[in-house]
Amino acid sequence: AQSVAQPEDQVNVAEGNPLTVKCTYSVSGNPYLFWYVQYPNRGLQFLLKYITGDNLVKGSYGFEAEFNKSQTSFHLKKPSALVSDSALYFCAVRDRSDNNDMRFGAGTRLTVKP
Amino acid sequence: DTEVTQTPKHLVMGMTNKKSLKCEQHMGHRAMYWYKQKAKKPPELMFVYSYEKLSINESVPSRFSPECPNSSLLNLHLHALQPEDSALYLCASSQAGYTRRGGELFFGEGSRLTVL
Repeated sequence: AQSVAQPEDQVNVAEGNPLTVKCTYSVSGNPYLFWYVQYPNRGLQFLLKYITGDNLVKGSYGFEAEFNKSQTSFHLKKPSALVSDSALYFCAVRDRSDNNDMRFGAGTRLTVKP
Repeated sequence: DTEVTQTPKHLVMGMTNKKSLKCEQHMGHRAMYWYKQKAKKPPELMFVYSYEKLSINESVPSRFSPECPNSSLLNLHLHALQPEDSALYLCASSQAGYTRRGGELFFGEGSRLTVL
C-alpha cells in the first residue's frame, strides 16, 4: 500500500526567507503526488501535483515542488515566505493501481514569522 | 470559495440521535469521498463512491452509513454515535474512472460533529 511521510511536525521560517516542507513517499511503481494546505477550521485546498513529466512542478500561491525519484521525495518549496502562508500542509499520494485511494501524510505546521 | 458544499457546518448530537451530513457538488465529478479528520491529524479515508456506487469502504463502523442518491449529492447518515466519533467530516469530489488517479480532490469546508 502507498504511504507518505512528513518528517517535520513543525517548520518555522522568517518572512521573506525561502521555505521547504519535506515529504517522502513509498509506493510500488510510479506515484501520483499532491500537496494540500489547510487553514484553521477549513477544508483542504489543492496546491499542486506531480503526475509525470518535469520533476519541478509549479502550483498555486507561488509554491513549487520537486519530484526526486531516487530519493523518493516530493518537497514543497517557496522562494519567499509570507506570514499568510502559515497553515497546515499535507502531502498525499495515490498509486497507479485502481485499488487504493488518496492517502495523506501526518501534516506539517508551517509558521512564518514577521 | 469551495465548489463542494457541506451542511451543516456544525452538528451536536446525543448518542441516541439520528442525523445526516450532506454534501453537494456541481463540477460534474463522478467520484465522491468522505474523510474523517481529528484535531491536528491528517484526514482518514472512510468511503469512496465512483459513478454512484460504493467502491471503497475503509472498514468503517456500521453506525456510519453513506448514501449517494445521484451524481451531485453525497450523504452520511449517523446513528448511535460515540463521543470518540467527534471530528471534522470532510467531503471531497474528483474526476472518476482512469483520470481519477491523477486527479486532485476538491474538498468542502467540512462538518464539525460533536457527540455528547
